[in-house]
Amino acid sequence: QSVLTQPPSVSGAPGQRVTISCTGSSSNIGAGYDVHWYQQLPGTAPKLLIYGNSNRPSGVPDRFSGSKSGTSASLAITGLQAEDEADYYCQSYDSSLSGHYVFGTGTKVTVL
Amino acid sequence: EVQLVESGGGLVQPGGSLRLSCAASGFTFSSYDMHWVRQATGKGLEWVSAIGTAGDTYYPGSVKGRFTISRENAKNSLYLQMNSLRAGDTAVYYCARGGNWKDFDYWGQGTLVTVSS
Repeated sequence: QSVLTQPPSVSGAPGQRVTISCTGSSSNIGAGYDVHWYQQLPGTAPKLLIYGNSNRPSGVPDRFSGSKSGTSASLAITGLQAEDEADYYCQSYDSSLSGHYVFGTGTKVTVL
Repeated sequence: EVQLVESGGGLVQPGGSLRLSCAASGFTFSSYDMHWVRQATGKGLEWVSAIGTAGDTYYPGSVKGRFTISRENAKNSLYLQMNSLRAGDTAVYYCARGGNWKDFDYWGQGTLVTVSS
């Protein structure tokens, strides 16, 4: 049912850099709509991590960064830490009839 | 501090109804769009409904005609009336505040809805 595609999992050792891709289409990311990213720690509610493609809310470490190009977006985590182990979701807006707000399939980040 | 607290979840039989509530505090509730987002166990996030500051409502096809979102600004409260519930509606339902970028900038802790006989 998800309109945005993410890799199911990524992993990295502490201190490494990992990236998560989010692939959409011409009716959402490619139409110019912004991409946002959420972090969901085990057993908790999602938390806004990146908004407007590359902006961090107050309190989010600058280890997290976002970018967008064409019909895709990416989240990068540099200097990976054990506390970053979580599920990450991208989100955008879709102009098709199927819905308005759409999420990615989600990516599990594992810190080795 | 922004707080969103959901309530009203529980066990309901297929075809039944349930009304969820979300109590908001720490911000001017009437000035923000509000949303419901759900997550089935072990699955991803799915947007369920939105209500604008003027009371305009929006739904995806999966719940349109069965779910109704509403708000009561005087009580800083958001509601979701769910009718004709199906097993596929089983999920944790989150209340979320709409941000300025069509994002969800604050989330509640969620309330579990289980549809089963």
